[in-house]
Amino acid sequence: SAVISQKPSRDICQRGTSLTIQCQVDSQVTMMFWYRQQPGQSLTLIATANQGSEATYESGFVIDKFPISRPNLTFSTLTVSNMSPEDSSIYLCSVDRGLSGNTIYFGEGSWLTVV
Amino acid sequence: KQEVTQIPAALSVPEGENLVLNCSFTDSAIYNLQWFRQDPGKGLTSLLLIQSSQREQTSGRLNASLDKSSGRSTLYIAASQPGDSATYLCAVTTDSWGKLQFGAGTQVVVTP
Repeated sequence: SAVISQKPSRDICQRGTSLTIQCQVDSQVTMMFWYRQQPGQSLTLIATANQGSEATYESGFVIDKFPISRPNLTFSTLTVSNMSPEDSSIYLCSVDRGLSGNTIYFGEGSWLTVV
Repeated sequence: KQEVTQIPAALSVPEGENLVLNCSFTDSAIYNLQWFRQDPGKGLTSLLLIQSSQREQTSGRLNASLDKSSGRSTLYIAASQPGDSATYLCAVTTDSWGKLQFGAGTQVVVTP
């Protein structure tokens, strides 16, 4: 398995501010993914982060709103910019260890409430 | 566009009964299918991964089947326990890079 640490685990944010979520993995991984889970909903992929290149965003998500960094093979950040109450969600980082079976592992998530 | 559907959306059973959770997907060209468990306010725990070439996977009381041609997977949980209460999500990948397409989940309550 993979150990994935996310910070913060929970936060209450003021409307209009930005927050950066960190994701640390216990081993090197090629691909890291960021998902959003809005209240009562399933997970939606925001973007894929590959080390050394710009993140690839899914339809409906843009870099200005969700800038992502991937400075090395064990770390990534997701920033939620200019937050509104609609951004209140759990944000989850996941990785593919690239091992046989391609099991995907998730962090515990960062639960953001925008007030 | 791939769509993943889970039925039922919610399920309540008495302790000891077997659980049957269904997942269907519209595009059979999947790379693999994975079942996850999510406890309230928590991240996801991987339960079982089925490669597209496999028919089933088993782990303890859990068994997952895959019928790729019909676009279906079923998760069986034998002899349910209150600790099995959670939301169960299925997700498919269409390539080897781990990008997941999720169903909406089945919320399970096992009553003592």
